[in-house]
Amino acid sequence: EDQVTQSPEALRLQEGESSSLNCSYTVSGLRGLFWYRQDPGKGPEFLFTLYSAGEEKEKERLKATLTKKESFLHITAPKPEDSATYLCAVHRGNKLVFGAGTILRVKS
Amino acid sequence: ETGVTQTPRHLVMGMTNKKSLKCEQHLGHNAMYWYKQSAKKPLELMFVYNFKEQTENNSVPSRFSPECPNSSHLFLHLHTLQPEDSALYLCASSTTGEGYEQYFGPGTRLTVT
Repeated sequence: EDQVTQSPEALRLQEGESSSLNCSYTVSGLRGLFWYRQDPGKGPEFLFTLYSAGEEKEKERLKATLTKKESFLHITAPKPEDSATYLCAVHRGNKLVFGAGTILRVKS
Repeated sequence: ETGVTQTPRHLVMGMTNKKSLKCEQHLGHNAMYWYKQSAKKPLELMFVYNFKEQTENNSVPSRFSPECPNSSHLFLHLHTLQPEDSALYLCASSTTGEGYEQYFGPGTRLTVT
């Protein structure tokens, strides 16, 4: 059965303190791994798609990487506005299977 | 309007009421989805429509009834709900096929009293 596990469940950082979020997955034949950002009371906002091991994508302070078993979302010098829940998902058929998310809080 | 819109944004209903949630996408996509998001649980896929045809029903109780009149509009009809159905209901759309990202609407916060 396809599974997506995110860690940690919650992460508190000081402004400027870089860190990484983890998304491990078990799925046969990965068709795409997606990262989303979700603010409270809002729908998930698409960030990145990764398709193959070794692929990397960047957007502002965020960088997503992919291996055969996991993906990392690296946050460099975060700011308070980066506070949100970060979700990862894998594509299976025409469905996305989501992890439970990591709640990130960045304090100034 | 751009992206994916949902109405209403908030809904409070009694267990005997009937209400409908509406979703509209302005992205030219041909697949649409309903998800349920409960506190501290992963998003749960409910229904998938491709080119107006339902292709997935993820064992959803019959008190939830979807309708997709065209590729741009999606409805979720609600009746005789239970308090445990209180959640954020999210609509999404995508290009049909594997590997394409889904774009989400802002959601409808549903409270069943």
